[in-house]
Amino acid sequence: KAGVTQTPRYLIKTRGQQVTLSCSPISGHRSVSWYQQTPGQGLQFLFEYFSETQRNKGNFPGRFSGRQFSNSRSEMNVSTLELGDSALYLCASSLKQGRETQYFGPGTRLLVL
Amino acid sequence: DQQVKQNSPSLSVQEGRISILNCDYTNSMFDYFLWYKKYPAEGPTFLISISSIKDKNEDGRFTVFLNKSAKHLSLHIVPSQPGDSAVYFCAASEYNQGGKLIFGQGTELSVKP
Repeated sequence: KAGVTQTPRYLIKTRGQQVTLSCSPISGHRSVSWYQQTPGQGLQFLFEYFSETQRNKGNFPGRFSGRQFSNSRSEMNVSTLELGDSALYLCASSLKQGRETQYFGPGTRLLVL
Repeated sequence: DQQVKQNSPSLSVQEGRISILNCDYTNSMFDYFLWYKKYPAEGPTFLISISSIKDKNEDGRFTVFLNKSAKHLSLHIVPSQPGDSAVYFCAASEYNQGGKLIFGQGTELSVKP
């Protein structure tokens, strides 16, 4: 069974632009969560989606948004990029919402110049 | 305020010996704990988990111990192998927070032949 896939793997943007990252969960998994990893803050939870609905949200500004499609694929969007948004963005999928093991993708490395 | 702390940024162990990675938490509402390991350029890989109703869980060479009164958990790897060299993250979640995981800062384990 294929693992979690994320596209693109690397991305360079400039301040003020917006970016969309994509995540395809493991087949059969219906819950997708997003995390941001930076050297200073570590791994931080962004949001969790299940059945196309956001179920949980971390402490990030409204510039960070996401959505989930009927096939469980998910996208996250960051608008008006700032230098501090440079990070590794990780997507994780699980069978269902809640207390389930989360399986992570390889991440998208975003650099904001 | 860091709710999950891994106070040792790095640990070096000889092959065949025991590796002990430690994690402390402050939030008494956490009731589910996980360990992930991460290689460079890959997403975190799930290792082992433990519910707060248990104080020990084993899976092959990996054992996690939970001391609820001390708000402390540890991961024991016996025997350690060079392939175990990676960054290890401790994560925790609250029952009513769905799939939201709070991660520690990670401990880099180096297993020397």
